[in-house]
Amino acid sequence: DSGVTQTPKHLITATGQRVTLRCSPRSGDLSVYWYQQSLDQGLQFLIQYYNGEERAKGNILERFSAQQFPDLHSELNLSSLELGDSALYFCASSVERGPDGYTFGSGTRLTVV
Amino acid sequence: GEDVEQSLFLSVREGDSSVINCTYTDSSSTYLYWYKQEPGAGLQLLTYIFSNMDMKQDQRLTVLLNKKDKHLSLRIADTQTGDSAIYFCAESHSGGSYIPTFGRGTSLIVHP
Repeated sequence: DSGVTQTPKHLITATGQRVTLRCSPRSGDLSVYWYQQSLDQGLQFLIQYYNGEERAKGNILERFSAQQFPDLHSELNLSSLELGDSALYFCASSVERGPDGYTFGSGTRLTVV
Repeated sequence: GEDVEQSLFLSVREGDSSVINCTYTDSSSTYLYWYKQEPGAGLQLLTYIFSNMDMKQDQRLTVLLNKKDKHLSLRIADTQTGDSAIYFCAESHSGGSYIPTFGRGTSLIVHP
């Protein structure tokens, strides 16, 4: 157990739907990062939150949004889903800018049918 | 081209050494990482190296950095079947808010 908890582990939904992925960071970590892992794009950084505020944005589509709550858990919202959104979505947390890198959760596998 | 490149596959025999290579493009890279991903799991940090170092050793793992050629390698000594996994190289720098940019991963297959 890495200390980063992601739910659900698996999600199957239809095109056009909206889903919410949840992440609880490791205790003491203020930063949360979302990544998308797909076969064709590899591991892509989506967005970072630090202590409730958006800190950095990567290749996140406009149909996707995220937030971090006062208890530091984060949610990634994916709307108007397309087949191409099928992927593994990882959350990671860290001490801000620490060289120790990031602690990853085990991911949510999203399948859009 | 991609910022971090790795070969996709490596196959070795149990007990041999494995060497996984990575090249990166950003000369301002500050930290370089190796992560391991086992099936059904997230990425696990194996080791990292500061850009002002050229080598780091940690038990069976040896990281070599050639900053001039922007080349990073991970050597696993006495490779075991439990080392079979996908290995990701990553770099981070201040211009990118130290958020790691990952390669596509090298799938290491260890056969008896």
